[in-house]
Amino acid sequence: GAVVSQHPSWVICKSGTSVKIECRSLDFQATTMFWYRQFPKQSLMLMATSNEGSKATYEQGVEKDKFLINHASLTLSTLTVTSAHPEDSSFYICSARAQGVNTEAFFGQGTRLTVV
Amino acid sequence: KNEVEQSPQNLTAQEGEFITINCSYSVGISALHWLQQHPGGGIVSLFMLSSGKKKHGRLIATINIQEKHSSLHITASHPRDSAVYICAVRSYNTDKLIFGTGTRLQVFP
Repeated sequence: GAVVSQHPSWVICKSGTSVKIECRSLDFQATTMFWYRQFPKQSLMLMATSNEGSKATYEQGVEKDKFLINHASLTLSTLTVTSAHPEDSSFYICSARAQGVNTEAFFGQGTRLTVV
Repeated sequence: KNEVEQSPQNLTAQEGEFITINCSYSVGISALHWLQQHPGGGIVSLFMLSSGKKKHGRLIATINIQEKHSSLHITASHPRDSAVYICAVRSYNTDKLIFGTGTRLQVFP
């Protein structure tokens, strides 16, 4: 299958700082990328959907000023957690899909964020 | 009631056993995914189905659209198959993935 690379795989940061997570599609053009958050032993929760070149669409309850998403090219989307707090500690995972009906979604390796 | 239900939640097996994980859904879908998540967290897409049956190595996935049900089978299970298996459906209305809660599989040698 296609490859989606997410970086970093883990990060520890201090409260109040910002953290940027990158998601790259390595061998296809990802017109749509999805950002998910996963709490321990729970399912993935969609945070936002981003289409290349346009503003991300956030799910209800997700603060767009806190979780900044940029999808400036067909191969790269970034999620920036601004002014991180310990409650933002979680596993974040991206998914990318090419344009078209019923195209498959491929997932990144995920980023474990710990805010201390 | 969740829109995507998986069973069982937990499953243990001896190496070599045939394993079945079930997924039922209640929404209209355009596709169904079977995903594998290892302890490190990364997710691998195993199958995407919209009808019938697919096979890849020891893995077989089937879907019955009329009954809104899918199964994932693992033949000749191996300890390296130990992972969480997640069923996710792509909603026909929203085009978003709706995830099941996953099935934690442990295969012992």
